[in-house]
Amino acid sequence: GENVEQHPSTLSVQEGDSAVIKCTYSDSASNYFPWYKQELGKGPQLIIDIRSNVGEKKDQRIAVTLNKTAKHFSLHITETQPEDSAVYFCAAPTYGSGNTGKLIFGQGTTLQVKP
Amino acid sequence: DSGVTQTPKHLITATGQRVTLRCSPRSGDLSVYWYQQSLDQGLQFLIQYYNGEERAKGNILERFSAQQFPDLHSELNLSSLELGDSALYFCASKPTTNTGELFFGEGSRLTVL
Repeated sequence: GENVEQHPSTLSVQEGDSAVIKCTYSDSASNYFPWYKQELGKGPQLIIDIRSNVGEKKDQRIAVTLNKTAKHFSLHITETQPEDSAVYFCAAPTYGSGNTGKLIFGQGTTLQVKP
Repeated sequence: DSGVTQTPKHLITATGQRVTLRCSPRSGDLSVYWYQQSLDQGLQFLIQYYNGEERAKGNILERFSAQQFPDLHSELNLSSLELGDSALYFCASKPTTNTGELFFGEGSRLTVL
């Protein structure tokens, strides 16, 4: 079945430390892996994404790694800051028969960065 | 501001009632997605439209229906409401360029009493 599992559900770190959130997916046809950040009272916003033809992508303090063989991908945030506190979602598309691909989200990780 | 507009922002209604949530996608975006976010839960995919046609369906209840109109705005209709339907309902649109990014609105918070 189509499934994206995300761990941990909550994560608390000290300012300046690194944070890692991991996701696994089930559909081997998935080829696009975005990460979204949701701040309180707002809709999710894309922060970084990776396609299946690369293993890692960085954008300043955030990076995403992908292991297609193991079907998992991770979000890494370095030098965390209080404004990084939010809920983070991973996602992956799943393709069924005649399906153009629907984006399935993980359960979310609430990240708290303590000053 | 994502460019996706959802109305109403908040809605309180009673069990058994019917409501309509409206979404205007970003200018030029043909795809509209609807997601449900319940308390302590992730984003559950409901349904996707592309240029007026249904493209993909998730675990959307039979009491729920949606459509996308010629002007590309979309409506999600929720009927025979139950307490468990209380949630945030998000609409997202996707550009026709194949970047994959979804642009989410700020959501409609539905409370069923």
